This record gives sequence, C-alpha cells and structure tokens, in this order.
Amino acid sequence: NAGVTQTPKFQVLKTGQSMTLQCAQDMNHEYMSWYRQDPGMGLRLIHYSVGAGITDQGEVPNGYNVSRSTTEDFPLRLLSAAPSQTSVYFCASSTTPGPYGYTFGSGTRLTVV
Amino acid sequence: AQSVTQLDSQVPVFEEAPVELRCNYSSSVSVYLFWYVQYPNQGLQLLLKYLSGSTLVKGINGFEAEFNKSQTSFHLRKPSVHISDTAEYFCAVRSGGSNYKLTFGKGTLLTVNP
Repeated sequence: NAGVTQTPKFQVLKTGQSMTLQCAQDMNHEYMSWYRQDPGMGLRLIHYSVGAGITDQGEVPNGYNVSRSTTEDFPLRLLSAAPSQTSVYFCASSTTPGPYGYTFGSGTRLTVV
Repeated sequence: AQSVTQLDSQVPVFEEAPVELRCNYSSSVSVYLFWYVQYPNQGLQLLLKYLSGSTLVKGINGFEAEFNKSQTSFHLRKPSVHISDTAEYFCAVRSGGSNYKLTFGKGTLLTVNP
C-alpha cells in the first residue's frame, strides 16, 4: 500500500515553461487536493476534487489547472511558470467527509528561475 | 467559514523541558481538530485528532492535546521533549457534516536544544 505518491520530488523550471506535477493514491479516496507551502504562510489550498470529474478552486488557484479523470490520479498543471510559483507542493487525499484527516504525499520542491 | 490561528511561529525549548504549542480555531459548526507534524524535508504526518468525547486526546510520540470548546482552543503539549521532536507543527480544523476541507494554521516551528 503506497498511499499518496508524488512525482517528481524536485524540479527546476524556467519562467514561462509548463509542467505537470503528478499525484496518485491507491486507497480509493474520494477527496484529493493540492496545497502549496511557503515559509510563514502555512499550507494554502490550490485546487481540490471530491470525485472523478469534479474539481473546484481553493484559495490560491491562479496559474494552476487540475483535472480528475480517475479516482486514483489528480495532476496539477502549471501553464506558464512564474517565480512566484516557487514553492513546495503537497498532494493530500481523504476518504468520505467526516472525522478523517488527510494522507499526504512527500512533496514536490519546485523552483522557477 | 473555518479558520485556525497558531499563536507562536517559533518555540525554542531545551531538551527534557515541557512544551505547549497553542492553537485557536473558529467555526460556525461542530469541528474535528488535528495536529500534524512535519520533520525537515518531509511531508506531513498525523500526530493526533479530536473527533468527539473526551477532551484530552493522546497521540504518537508522547504528545497530547486538550480540546476546550469555550475557549475554542486545541493546544498541543508534551511533558518532556527530545531533540528528535524538532519539527514544524500544524494545527488544522475540519467542519462537521459534508465538508471535506481541512484548514491549516501557519505552523509553529519547535526547536529543541541540547
């Protein structure tokens, strides 16, 4: 049971480049989400999904796109990378609503130069 | 809307001293409360959670937290810390009902010095 798997672990992009951060979970969780973590800012929600085909914006969605074609996968796309998107990105998943916490991936450290 | 305030951004302590990391929350409905720990260069892992019932919750690594509804607080405590407890700690709240969203505080960096 792998839990939540994120790839890549590290990435350096040039301004204007695009890329996709991958997230996969093998726990049949309905809910998946992407956070970014910046010093002094805690974790801020980018996008989330409550099931295949259903996505919605979090508090900092600008510059990011998501899709959820399967229960297992929830990729995060940066369409045109900017230095302000330099951050550590975490994917998290959860089962049905209620008293459950999240299972987190190990993170992707992205630097945009 | 739900929100979380962690009152201290950094807490330095000496090894074997007691520690308390403070967390206050706001929510208009019943809540579930969580503490997560993040060791350097790692992801977040669950320390403990409050769902209902006893207000004192015990977690892993000797940590415990007390839910205080009247003060809307969920402070994390450990009676004697170790060097290995050095990490960032996040308090989080999730409203009851059908709300999936987990809202995090900004984190408290606990540094345990020898």
